[in-house]
Amino acid sequence: DIQMTQSPSTLSAYVGDRVTITCRASQYISTWVAWYQQKTGKAPKLLIYKASSLESGVPSRFSGSGSGTEFTLTISNLQPDDFATYYCQQYNFYPLTFGGGTKVEIK
Amino acid sequence: QVQLVESGGGLVKPGGSLRLSCAASGFTFSDYYMTWIRQAPGKGLEWVSYISRSADTIYYADSVKGRFTISRDNVFSSLYLEMNSLRAEDTAVYYCARIDEMADYFDNWGQGTLVTVSS
Repeated sequence: DIQMTQSPSTLSAYVGDRVTITCRASQYISTWVAWYQQKTGKAPKLLIYKASSLESGVPSRFSGSGSGTEFTLTISNLQPDDFATYYCQQYNFYPLTFGGGTKVEIK
Repeated sequence: QVQLVESGGGLVKPGGSLRLSCAASGFTFSDYYMTWIRQAPGKGLEWVSYISRSADTIYYADSVKGRFTISRDNVFSSLYLEMNSLRAEDTAVYYCARIDEMADYFDNWGQGTLVTVSS
């Protein structure tokens, strides 16, 4: 199975900051990575697919990059609504697997 | 708009069974692959099972293989998860999710239904 290692597990930041979350795959997965945002008590929401494609309706301050085994999610100009937990997911192979999550907290 | 509404969760004893349902609306259900994903309390996301449009291809996570059965009814736009031999570690919120037409990521999720396995 492909392991997705996400870091950091928790991140504290101020409104207006630029934050970066990293996901590392245990083997090559091209650009078959998606990123999700989950708020407490809610279902996850798709933000990014194919490593860097922004889902319709998602603010442009969210961006993704990477290929192969290293991927990043960047949130520029962090807004109050962005404080949540973020997950990466690989979809190159079954079983589909997620990273452990990164909780973005208010500093 | 796309809506996925899960039901059927609840409290069940270890070794028991439960059947989850997911009612889909707002899109042509038979055109999409579907999946179940779960999240244990305070934990991350775990993919559980996948079913193709016509149910001719099905996958399961090793953790549920042989105990869970995914199925669908394209006439009634519904997805199901039959769960048998339930264990404490199956306790989680179970989400049904639609798989994008182009690749196996999840573009729409239901609100989830909680399954608690406890004596």
